[in-house]
Amino acid sequence: DAGVTQSPTHLIKTRGQQVTLRCSPKSGHDTVSWYQQALGQGPQFIFQYYEEEERQRGNFPDRFSGHQFPNYSSELNVNALLLGDSALYLCASSRDRGQLFFGSGTQLSVL
Amino acid sequence: AQTVTQSQPEMSVQEAETVTLSCTYDTSESDYYLFWYKQPPSRQMILVIRQEAYKQQNATENRFSVNFQKAAKSFSLKISDSQLGDAAMYFCAYRPQYNNNDMRFGAGTRLTVKP
Repeated sequence: DAGVTQSPTHLIKTRGQQVTLRCSPKSGHDTVSWYQQALGQGPQFIFQYYEEEERQRGNFPDRFSGHQFPNYSSELNVNALLLGDSALYLCASSRDRGQLFFGSGTQLSVL
Repeated sequence: AQTVTQSQPEMSVQEAETVTLSCTYDTSESDYYLFWYKQPPSRQMILVIRQEAYKQQNATENRFSVNFQKAAKSFSLKISDSQLGDAAMYFCAYRPQYNNNDMRFGAGTRLTVKP
């Protein structure tokens, strides 16, 4: 049983560019949450998707957007990248509001 | 707003010894969950142990146990018989019982295990 998978594992972008990160949830899970983990900090909640809609959002600007597909996989999009967007982006899946299972993340570097 | 504080940026323990990692939190909720996650160099957040706030009994998972003090809003993790594989970042986390939308994490404690 595959766990939560994220792609790519590493990504390098320049300021102003746009990026898309992908997440496949654990089998049987229907909810996907995204977190940003800056260097030396704990993860911070970006948003959660359930039934293809954004259910709740953390304190992140509109440059951060997402999508959930009918197969429950999800994408995180970040527009107009800033240096401060450099971080590890973690995806977590769950059955509705149940326990979160995390992927290994995508390390984004903005130059 | 709920906040989670880990006051020990780094801790060190000798192999086979016991170490305790500290965590305090702030909330006005009465029903919630507390967690300890381990993040090794692979970067994946791995659940170590979970505590429901309505349970007075402290959770235990093999060599890992917690000391949950609800009135003091304290939630420490004790690792017994430390092993080299326990070396990692450890994060304390909080979430309301009926809402997993917004899990709050502390800043983490880096645990080193000396052979």
